[in-house]
Amino acid sequence: GDSVTQMEGPVTLSEEAFLTINCTYTATGYPSLFWYVQYPGEGLQLLLKATKADDKGSNKGFEATYRKETTSFHLEKGSVQVSDSAVYFCALTSGGSNYKLTFGKGTLLTVNP
Amino acid sequence: KAGVTQTPRYLIKTRGQQVTLSCSPISGHRSVSWYQQTPGQGLQFLFEYFSETQRNKGNFPGRFSGRQFSNSRSEMNVSTLELGDSALYLCASSLVRLGSQETQYFGPGTRLLVL
Repeated sequence: GDSVTQMEGPVTLSEEAFLTINCTYTATGYPSLFWYVQYPGEGLQLLLKATKADDKGSNKGFEATYRKETTSFHLEKGSVQVSDSAVYFCALTSGGSNYKLTFGKGTLLTVNP
Repeated sequence: KAGVTQTPRYLIKTRGQQVTLSCSPISGHRSVSWYQQTPGQGLQFLFEYFSETQRNKGNFPGRFSGRQFSNSRSEMNVSTLELGDSALYLCASSLVRLGSQETQYFGPGTRLLVL
């Protein structure tokens, strides 16, 4: 079945450091790929998405490129801020006629001043 | 435009009871999906409702059920609660029925604690 594998956390960085959170997937067909973010005590917010190979999603300084050849969708940000501290989830939709979001386990990011 | 709203935000129940959670989608959105989030299992899909019909169901027992009303609002019901049902229940809405490129927008969740 479909699955998403994210790098294990937690990840701790200093402000202005470079961020990479790895995400690889297994899916039938041509999935769409998403990154969601969850701040403490809140629901999920869509961060960015890509719907076909080589698409780059970007938002708030974050970006990720849909790589079909490596089945990856790594999240990057050039300079993190304390306010970026949250849990990040990689996800995909696929499934023939019954689409649903399949999520990775999540990666906790803590950014220190 | 208002986001997805869920009520109540917090609930405490005891084993064997039943509970009903409510979700109001973004105005104009017709699809509502429900997810369960636990530390052990992560985020798992429960079901999707579109046009008042369940369109897709995850791998959960029959104790978990739902419905959708003509105004697209949805309720989720869990009967005979078990300790393992303690979780954050998230509702998500999308404009149309879930497809490969459809984006879901999430509510803040209802945190259920079963004692």
